[in-house]
Amino acid sequence: GNSVTQMEGPVTLSEEAFLTINCTYTATGYPSLFWYVQYPGEGLQLLLKATKADDKGSNKGFEATYRKETTSFHLEKGSVQVSDSAVYFCALGNNNDMRFGAGTRLTVKP
Amino acid sequence: DTEVTQTPKHLVMGMTNKKSLKCEQHMGHRAMYWYKQKAKKPPELMFVYSYEKLSINESVPSRFSPECPNSSLLNLHLHALQPEDSALYLCASSRPLGDGYYEQYFGPGTRLTVT
Repeated sequence: GNSVTQMEGPVTLSEEAFLTINCTYTATGYPSLFWYVQYPGEGLQLLLKATKADDKGSNKGFEATYRKETTSFHLEKGSVQVSDSAVYFCALGNNNDMRFGAGTRLTVKP
Repeated sequence: DTEVTQTPKHLVMGMTNKKSLKCEQHMGHRAMYWYKQKAKKPPELMFVYSYEKLSINESVPSRFSPECPNSSLLNLHLHALQPEDSALYLCASSRPLGDGYYEQYFGPGTRLTVT
């Protein structure tokens, strides 16, 4: 079946630090991969996506590369800001099925 | 326009009440979804509509009744809920199922409290 395993949080960083949130997946076939972000009291917003192996999704300084050989889609940002504080969900879409990881709470301190 | 709207934003209801949650999108999406999200947990899929027909029901109790009156609207009718049903209810939409897998656009959610 399809599943997503995401790095446990919470993660606390200082402003301008480097961010990595690990995500690995299990799926048959060729899933699409997504990162969503949820700010307090809000719904989920699509942050970036990749639909095939070796695709790199990027948005707002965040990047993730679809690695089929390691079944991974790690989220990275070179320099985080206080405004990046939120919960980040890795997700997989495959054969009419959408699976979310458990979510990683990121807090960035000034 | 990539917006999904949901009303109401907050809802408090007793266990004997009947209420409805509403969701609307004008992106021309033909797949719409209801999710339930408890605090500090990922969203859990409840229902999927594809071309206004129910295509997935994730074994949701019958006290939750979805309805898709047209391609832009999605309702969730609530009756005889339990306190453990208190959660954030999220609506989402996407391009049609079955032709690849497309990203979902989420509404801001309805925060439901059952007393």
